[in-house]
Amino acid sequence: GQNIDQPTEMTATEGAIVQINCTYQTSGFNGLFWYQQHAGEAPTFLSYNVLDGLEEKGRFSSFLSRSKGYSYLLLKELQMKDSASYLCAVRDRRAGANNLFFGTGTRLTVIP
Amino acid sequence: SAVISQKPSRDICQRGTSLTIQCQVDSQVTMMFWYRQQPGQSLTLIATANQGSEATYESGFVIDKFPISRPNLTFSTLTVSNMSPEDSSIYLCSVGGTGGETSHFGPGTRLTVT
Repeated sequence: GQNIDQPTEMTATEGAIVQINCTYQTSGFNGLFWYQQHAGEAPTFLSYNVLDGLEEKGRFSSFLSRSKGYSYLLLKELQMKDSASYLCAVRDRRAGANNLFFGTGTRLTVIP
Repeated sequence: SAVISQKPSRDICQRGTSLTIQCQVDSQVTMMFWYRQQPGQSLTLIATANQGSEATYESGFVIDKFPISRPNLTFSTLTVSNMSPEDSSIYLCSVGGTGGETSHFGPGTRLTVT
């Protein structure tokens, strides 16, 4: 099965940097995703890691360590619009499928 | 990336009735997935819909409650049967598959059961 953990809530200041951690345990790891979800909306894709290391995309970066079962999402130069839930999801390769399993999400509040 | 649409976007249904949610993709995809997001919670995978075969259900979900159709490579339906208030959720269709292919979500169907 899967066991994906991330903090429930975080608060950070506008203009600052915040790191959201995610740990996971899965038997058929085939990639880790980060999604952003604003209240009442569907999740939108932010990043994908399948190899160890850092993937940078503008203000957002995501890191993966497969040996440690660990990832983080780094948000720089925070803006008020970054207030949202951030979902860590692991793709699990089982019997030919490629299912995504989600953590509980981290609700980030950006304050002035 | 694939463009995914869902119908209806929202509905209010009475206890004991059934609702069928449609998911349409603008390109052919091998796998389609159905997720549920209960209020204040993260997403839970209900089942994987494969074209030409029966859907594969996750633990806690059964075909009698959530029958799924996948008649072709661009379309799927999820039915929520004999609804109760506990079925009030957002139901999301997703596509994505192997390798580096990103999984994308439809806009969701917000279901309220009274």
